[in-house]
Amino acid sequence: GAVVSQHPSWVICKSGTSVKIECRSLDFQATTMFWYRQFPKQSLMLMATSNEGSKATYEQGVEKDKFLINHASLTLSTLTVTSAHPEDSSFYICSARAGQTGSPLHFGNGTRLTVT
Amino acid sequence: GENVEQHPSTLSVQEGDSAVIKCTYSDSASNYFPWYKQELGKGPQLIIDIRSNVGEKKDQRIAVTLNKTAKHFSLHITETQPEDSAVYFCAGLRGYQKVTFGTGTKLQVIP
Repeated sequence: GAVVSQHPSWVICKSGTSVKIECRSLDFQATTMFWYRQFPKQSLMLMATSNEGSKATYEQGVEKDKFLINHASLTLSTLTVTSAHPEDSSFYICSARAGQTGSPLHFGNGTRLTVT
Repeated sequence: GENVEQHPSTLSVQEGDSAVIKCTYSDSASNYFPWYKQELGKGPQLIIDIRSNVGEKKDQRIAVTLNKTAKHFSLHITETQPEDSAVYFCAGLRGYQKVTFGTGTKLQVIP
């Protein structure tokens, strides 16, 4: 149980275009989902907290207009990288909590974004 | 906020030996400590977790110990196997707060 599906697993796009990444909780409802960015050989950096039915909460230094997050339902959150540039190339990972406080976080398998 | 430090950053062990990874945290109110295993090109996978009302938890070859007084917790892997090779992350969490991850430990099990 508690499976998080992330799509696509990898994507290559040209500078200036936008890319949408989907995160789905397959067998549970997730009121809150989280989006992370991970650089090579580094830890996960929280970008934003996605709340169903309300605006996402962004971490300091993360551009909300560049990284658009939509949490349209209890099982789906999307991250759109707008006007992508090569420096946006990274590994993006989502996670969701299956229950309330203290419940385990379950992660998707990540999306490798390459901007050419 | 919470700050989690993790050591060592890299660890090489011979197959069959034990591996220990340690983490310290700063927020004494943290009450949940998961460990994640991340293989190359994949998302982190929860392998074991412990809550603050427990001192030790074991699941087959994997165990986690927690010392609340010293504010540190450790991951123990016994009888290591090549498939244990991965990056391991510890994390700390209090209530609804966001998870704070350690910096990661790259474990290499040498056959």
